[in-house]
Amino acid sequence: DTGVSQDPRHKITKRGQNVTFRCDPISEHNRLYWYRQTLGQGPEFLTYFQNEAQLEKSRLLSDRFSAERPKGSFSTLEIQRTEQGDSAMYLCASEDRGRSEKLFFGSGTQLSVL
Amino acid sequence: AQKVTQAQTEISVVEKEDVTLDCVYETRDTTYYLFWYKQPPSGELVFLIRRNSFDEQNEISGRYSWNFQKSTSSFNFTITASQVVDSAVYFCALSEEKTSYDKVIFGPGTSLSVIP
Repeated sequence: DTGVSQDPRHKITKRGQNVTFRCDPISEHNRLYWYRQTLGQGPEFLTYFQNEAQLEKSRLLSDRFSAERPKGSFSTLEIQRTEQGDSAMYLCASEDRGRSEKLFFGSGTQLSVL
Repeated sequence: AQKVTQAQTEISVVEKEDVTLDCVYETRDTTYYLFWYKQPPSGELVFLIRRNSFDEQNEISGRYSWNFQKSTSSFNFTITASQVVDSAVYFCALSEEKTSYDKVIFGPGTSLSVIP
């Protein structure tokens, strides 16, 4: 396993711009999760996929946020019209649900909205 | 509503000291999982342990041990003979059967600094 990888590691953008993050889970993991973490807090659940199906979205996820996992492998998280409050670390995790219920996390994408 | 509390925001210990990180949780579910994750400075959360609500046996793994007490809704984590490499943020977390364990709720974390 090469682990969960996220790209980019850091993103600085101006308010109002759109940004997209990518997550490559551990291959064959059927579950993929997105979490958001702000300074001094634990990760907060945003959404998750079972293969290519998005099964739940948190109320934290406004309609400016959209996530996809088109072929059940990598996933993208897009934020449109970014706001300063979107500044956070965006974490991706994958899980082999049914075999081991534990999350494997990537190193995250740190977003700064100026 | 489910909730995880880690009252210790930051702890500093000198190397080789023992340290206990506290975790208190709230849930109305009778079946749930409890977790501990470690987040080193690199940022990647690393799974340490998962505990089923029906299994109250304490667990030991090397220098790490966990004490699960349902009566006090606590799941405390002890590091024995701490080392500098233990410096990290540690998160306690909970997932419930009623959500099919699909959502893991994390506490705010405890930042541990081990001083050489």
